[in-house]
This record gives sequence, C-alpha cells and structure tokens, in this order.
Amino acid sequence: GAVVSQHPSRVICKSGTSVKIECRSLDFQATTMFWYRQFPKKSLMLMATSNEGSKATYEQGVEKDKFLINHASLTLSTLTVTSAHPEDSSFYICSARDSGRGYEQFFGPGTRLTVL
Amino acid sequence: GIQVEQSPPDLILQEGANSTLRCNFSDSVNNLQWFHQNPWGQLINLFYIPSGTKQNGRLSATTVATERYSLLYISSSQTTDSGVYFCAVGEYSGGGADGLTFGKGTHLIIQP
Repeated sequence: GAVVSQHPSRVICKSGTSVKIECRSLDFQATTMFWYRQFPKKSLMLMATSNEGSKATYEQGVEKDKFLINHASLTLSTLTVTSAHPEDSSFYICSARDSGRGYEQFFGPGTRLTVL
Repeated sequence: GIQVEQSPPDLILQEGANSTLRCNFSDSVNNLQWFHQNPWGQLINLFYIPSGTKQNGRLSATTVATERYSLLYISSSQTTDSGVYFCAVGEYSGGGADGLTFGKGTHLIIQP
C-alpha cells in the first residue's frame, strides 16, 4: 500500500516552454501533497505544500508564478514549470501523506527535467 | 527553521560489516523518516520513526526524541545496500503538516 506515481519520469523541453508534472496517490487519498527539488549530488529541498481544494503554500525563495501547483482531487496534484529556463533543470519529486497513517510521507519516483 | 545533520557524510565498508548512521536535529519533531535513495533517484521508505525503536530485517532504527537524534543500523552489509541514506524530519507548525527537512545524506559504499 501507499504507492505514489509521477508522470512523466523524464522530460526534455526547449527554453520558454511550460511543462506539467503529475503526482498521483494510487491506493490512498492524500489531503496533503508535497513537491521537492533535488540538484545533482545534493539533498532534497521542499518547494511547496499542496492541500486539496486550496492554494499551495510555497517555501521562501520559490516563485509561485513560475511553479504552479494544483491539487484538484484527493489523488492528484500537478506541478507546472512555466517559461522554463535551463536553470530549472532538476529532479522533481512529489510526496503524499495518508492522513490515516500519521505524518509519514510516501514519495513518487521523481521526474527528471532537462531544459535546453 | 529546523536543522538536520547527518554523519558520516561518506562511509566505505566491506561486505558483511555493520554500520551506524546518525541524524541530529535541532528542534522537536513529529515526523522522522529514514530513506535509501536508489541509483534511479527513487526514495525508498526505510523507517517512519519519530520516537522509539524499530527493526526490519538487517536494518533497525532508534530515535531518542528528547535528545534530538536518530540512529540507523545496518548489519551484515551487502553490496545492494550501497547508495545514499537520508534522514528527514518534520515539525508540526499548527497550521497543518509541514513538509520534510532533509539532511545532506550519508553516501554508503559496500565493497565486495
């Protein structure tokens, strides 16, 4: 149980385009989902907290107009990187919390974004 | 915000050896998780252990919340144990469950 999927697993796009990444909880309902970013050989950094039916809460330094988050249902959150630039290239990982299991978070497999 | 320090940053061991990874954190937490990140980037949940002791096969973990540290034990290491181990903590802010703050990880290499 507690499986989280992400799509796509890998994406390459041109500078200036937008890319949407989906995060789904497959076997549980997630009122809260999280988005993280990881640079090569670095740790994970929290970008934002996504609550179903309400606006996302962004961490300091994360541009909310650049990284659009939508959590329209209890099993789906999306992250859209708008007007992507090469410096947005990174590994994006989502996680979801099953409210029935306390505060434990379950992570998706990640999406590797490369902006040319 | 809360600080998380992991030690050692790098660890090289022979197959069959035992190891202890440490995680220190600077404030009270309501969530502490240990992960193993595989070569493809997937974070594998090892333990959800905000306090107490748990065991799963060759792995065990202990969190002493009052002293703000957690330990991950790996016994009889295998080459497949190689990879990066992360400790991550969450502190409850009162407005809802916050995201996790990750340590910088321990890079473990098990040599045959």
